[in-house]
Amino acid sequence: KNQVEQSPQSLIILEGKNCTLQCNYTVSPFSNLRWYKQDTGRGPVSLTIMTFSENTKSNGRYTATLDADTKQSSLHITASQLSDSASYICVVQPTNDYKLSFGAGTTVTVRA
Amino acid sequence: DSGVTQTPKHLITATGQRVTLRCSPRSGDLSVYWYQQSLDQGLQFLIQYYNGEERAKGNILERFSAQQFPDLHSELNLSSLELGDSALYFCASSVGGGPVEQYFGPGTRLTVT
Repeated sequence: KNQVEQSPQSLIILEGKNCTLQCNYTVSPFSNLRWYKQDTGRGPVSLTIMTFSENTKSNGRYTATLDADTKQSSLHITASQLSDSASYICVVQPTNDYKLSFGAGTTVTVRA
Repeated sequence: DSGVTQTPKHLITATGQRVTLRCSPRSGDLSVYWYQQSLDQGLQFLIQYYNGEERAKGNILERFSAQQFPDLHSELNLSSLELGDSALYFCASSVGGGPVEQYFGPGTRLTVT
């Protein structure tokens, strides 16, 4: 069973609307949680990195939250743009381990 | 542009063959990571090198091997290729080996026919 589960698997939103992506993980203890954006056929690009002690981190219109007690994270996209169409991947790094655990990603499609 | 380069961009080969994928990390980065991304799977960590030495191993098959050279570039060798090895192979680099930002290259798309 994957240690990082993301939901929904995919979603479609209208340009200008907001959306929230979910990430549940079982990795414990963990050092940090990351959100990446991956355009089709390209390498992932980091959006945020949060240590276990951080609750929220923003990068422009992207805001990530982390609840280490419930082992949940979310990524909120505000005022979506067509260029936000991509796969968003949640990644957790265990403490004292260099191996990252990747979620399967949420595919976001923004329609005009 | 992340500063990580990978060659070739595309590779088409037959089953049973052997290929080498190459990665040049960002200037100053000592760590190199290799990942596999198949159509029906997320990113899978294969292996990490730090300053020429193997640091961590993930789900890397015995048919696959990697190395990092003194100039810090890395190569991933895939042998006895099977249809299921068709995937995107990404290289990433970071300054250190711990909880630091990883910068991904554009990937090499391998198609095994």
